[in-house]
Amino acid sequence: GAGVSQSPRYKVTKRGQDVALRCDPISGHVSLYWYRQALGQGPEFLTYFNYEAQQDKSGLPNDRFSAERPEGSISTLTIQRTEQRDSAMYRCASRGGQLATEAFFGQGTRLTVV
Amino acid sequence: TQLLEQSPQFLSIQEGENLTVYCNSSSVFSSLQWYRQEPGEGPVLLVTVVTGGEVKKLKRLTFQFGDARKDSSLHITAAQPGDTGLYLCAGGGGAQKLVFGQGTRLTINP
Repeated sequence: GAGVSQSPRYKVTKRGQDVALRCDPISGHVSLYWYRQALGQGPEFLTYFNYEAQQDKSGLPNDRFSAERPEGSISTLTIQRTEQRDSAMYRCASRGGQLATEAFFGQGTRLTVV
Repeated sequence: TQLLEQSPQFLSIQEGENLTVYCNSSSVFSSLQWYRQEPGEGPVLLVTVVTGGEVKKLKRLTFQFGDARKDSSLHITAAQPGDTGLYLCAGGGGAQKLVFGQGTRLTINP
């Protein structure tokens, strides 16, 4: 695609429900990153993939958070048993590969847990 | 854990003034990047620096990478209201973990 696409743009869910956030990176991009961003703050690293392999998941807050990228393209970030503290903007970014340093970001998913 | 500390976190100055934003770490990075983020949008890349001591200029913006590749600075000359935004430094080369600083919220008053 022309850019990084995230869906849904907005998600309101009840506490205790599971949610799945989708990221469709730029076609052919090797690396895919997930971040969580508070208003006016820098993106907080959650996890990233090279192709289908999850390289680092050290930023995932707890075991309710998981991510996958099974075919090395689209990725899903899943939050189980959501809590109010999970409310945030979740952003996805992709990069081309070894020599490509620029990260391209999607518009983000605004998650609200009520 | 690779951490990037930005300072100041907030900066409000008058149009025409100069300013410098700093990005520091105890870790060595293969490259450092600066992004700018507008409200409601994702960060957009301004520049990448890869060589220790490197200086890059983008119109009124000057970026420098420290000799030890642990820190960087962004200097803006004659700031304009259009420069207002959230400025982010980020470290980590292609195919590597990419971590961001907490950002500097810059406001330029007319």
